[in-house]
Amino acid sequence: EIVLTQSPGTLSLSPGERATLSCRVSQSVTSNYLGWYQQKPGQAPRLLISGTSSRATGIPDRFSGSGSGTDFTLTISRLEPEDSAVYYCQQYGSLPYSFGQGTKLEIK
Amino acid sequence: EMQLVQSGAEVKKPGESLKISCQGSGFRFTSYWIVWVRQMPGKGPECMGMIYPGDSDTRYSPSFAGQVTISADKSNSTAFLHWSSLMASDTAVYYCARRAYSSGPMDVWGTGTRVTVSS
Repeated sequence: EIVLTQSPGTLSLSPGERATLSCRVSQSVTSNYLGWYQQKPGQAPRLLISGTSSRATGIPDRFSGSGSGTDFTLTISRLEPEDSAVYYCQQYGSLPYSFGQGTKLEIK
Repeated sequence: EMQLVQSGAEVKKPGESLKISCQGSGFRFTSYWIVWVRQMPGKGPECMGMIYPGDSDTRYSPSFAGQVTISADKSNSTAFLHWSSLMASDTAVYYCARRAYSSGPMDVWGTGTRVTVSS
């Protein structure tokens, strides 16, 4: 099973700052199969990024993804209060389509 | 609008059976893989398995094979997740989600069904 490890566990930043979230994968993943999701309390996850760097429909360009091989990054520029959430990376190339344990982003 | 609407919350006792549902609308249900995802309290999501309602092709993640059964009724655009004998450790929120394309991420998510198993 492919294991995804996210860091940091918690990130506390102010509005307008930039957030950098990391996702390390236990074995090389084809970039086409790496995505990022946002989950707010009591809600289902929402797809932000697919294929490492393609924003999903309706996702603002403040959200960007990058990386390759085993190291991937989600960057959120110009943080807004509504970005407060837990963010998960996921590989969906081979079953089980594993998720990372999440990074909790707090906006001060 | 593309939607996946799930059945309501359930409270069950250990050993009981349960079947929860996920009904799609606003898209061609038979042309997309539907994935079932477990999220235990305070934990990240886990993919349990998936079904292609067009031909009922079903795949299970190794940890969930033999523990649950995934099925679909394409005439009603509905997918199901079934347990024959629940355990307390099945307590979680269960989501269904649509794969964007055959090898894609999950782009449309259901409303979630909270399952509580307690004696």
